[in-house]
Amino acid sequence: DVVMTQSPLSLPVTLGQPASISCRSSQSLVNSDGNTYLNWFHQRPGQSPRRLIYKVSNRDSGVPDRFSGSGSGTDFTLKISRVEAEDVGVYYCMQGTHWPRTFGQGTTVDIK
Amino acid sequence: EVQLLDSGGGLVQPGGSLRLSCAASGFTFSISAMSWVRQAPGKGLEWVSAITPSGSSTYYADSVKGRFTISRDNSKDTLSLQMNSLSAEDTAVYYCARDTMTFSNWGQGTLVTVSS
Repeated sequence: DVVMTQSPLSLPVTLGQPASISCRSSQSLVNSDGNTYLNWFHQRPGQSPRRLIYKVSNRDSGVPDRFSGSGSGTDFTLKISRVEAEDVGVYYCMQGTHWPRTFGQGTTVDIK
Repeated sequence: EVQLLDSGGGLVQPGGSLRLSCAASGFTFSISAMSWVRQAPGKGLEWVSAITPSGSSTYYADSVKGRFTISRDNSKDTLSLQMNSLSAEDTAVYYCARDTMTFSNWGQGTLVTVSS
């Protein structure tokens, strides 16, 4: 199975400051169709996960442009340019290239 | 608007069975692959199962293989998960999700509690 490793697992942030989460996979996530199926999700307490970013860097509709995704191969990053209060919660990376699909452990973002 | 409505959860005894459903609307269900993902209390997300648009191919996590069966009814825009031989380790909120590569939309989840 492809192991997804996120860091840090806990990220206290100051409002208005940037934040960054790393996600590394144990195998390349480049699919045979040429796409890299690395996705990012945000989950607030008591809510379902919501997709933020798909295929490394594509932001979903309605997702603020302060969120950005980057990376390639086995090394990926989610960045928040200026953290806002609504950004708290748990962020997960997930790979959709290999079976079984696997998620990172999750990174908890809260406000200092 | 895409909507996925999960249902069927509840309290079941160890060794028992439960059938979850996911009612889809707002998109063409019959051409969408679908997945189930679960989240144990206080834990992270775990992919459980997936099915191709026609239902001809299915995929399972090792932890549920041989006990869970995913299926779909494209005439009713409904996804199902039949869960047998349940154990305490299966206690979780179960979410259906659209797609199997990018998980674009998620249901609200349904709680399954396995306990005597």
